[in-house]
Amino acid sequence: EVQLLESGGGLVQPGGSLRLSCAASGFNTSSYNMNWVRQAPGKGLEWVSRIFGSNTYYADSVKGRFTVSRDNSKSTLYLQMNSLRADDTAVYYCARGWTDYWGQGTLVTVSS
Amino acid sequence: DIQMTQSPSSLSASVGDRVTITCRASQAIRNDLGWYQQRPGRAPKRLIYAASSLQSGVPSRFSGSGSGTEFTLTISSLQPEDFASYYCLQYNSNPWTFGQGTKVEIK
Repeated sequence: EVQLLESGGGLVQPGGSLRLSCAASGFNTSSYNMNWVRQAPGKGLEWVSRIFGSNTYYADSVKGRFTVSRDNSKSTLYLQMNSLRADDTAVYYCARGWTDYWGQGTLVTVSS
Repeated sequence: DIQMTQSPSSLSASVGDRVTITCRASQAIRNDLGWYQQRPGRAPKRLIYAASSLQSGVPSRFSGSGSGTEFTLTISSLQPEDFASYYCLQYNSNPWTFGQGTKVEIK
């Protein structure tokens, strides 16, 4: 059974950093591109980032501040988030491939 | 960037109604589009991929159509569990972009 479990969310001050993790099971992560998608409170979905082989892609809103990476030996996807702003407050989801499977999300709150 | 314009933003319907939601892309995206359902407090769930292919396990009352710039999600007979928000997503080119969402409410 495919499962994705995000962790690492929490409360962080503006300008701070946080690293999210997405632990995958039930499939070979090296065979899939992986995505991060976020949803601000009461708002719609926003695609954030994707890693496809050694290639990485980002939304303009996070480019230069967020970095996606993966450790296939641990079946884990990461999102390093730096220079966090209040408008980064959201639930962050990881999603497999062409988004056929999603995790349950982890909440990031950026506030002083 | 490709803009996805989804309409309506909300609708009220009754159980048994036929419901149609539309997404328009700002440029042609072939059939590189998915539809997602999201219930409150839950992760999104993919219903349709490649514009018209039904995700395994999704009821057949859901269907998708379209290609190029115009896409439609249809629920043929609305059921109580279908009251939720729906989103389209284009994955033709980076950055991927979602529509603004449609909230389907009970009339």
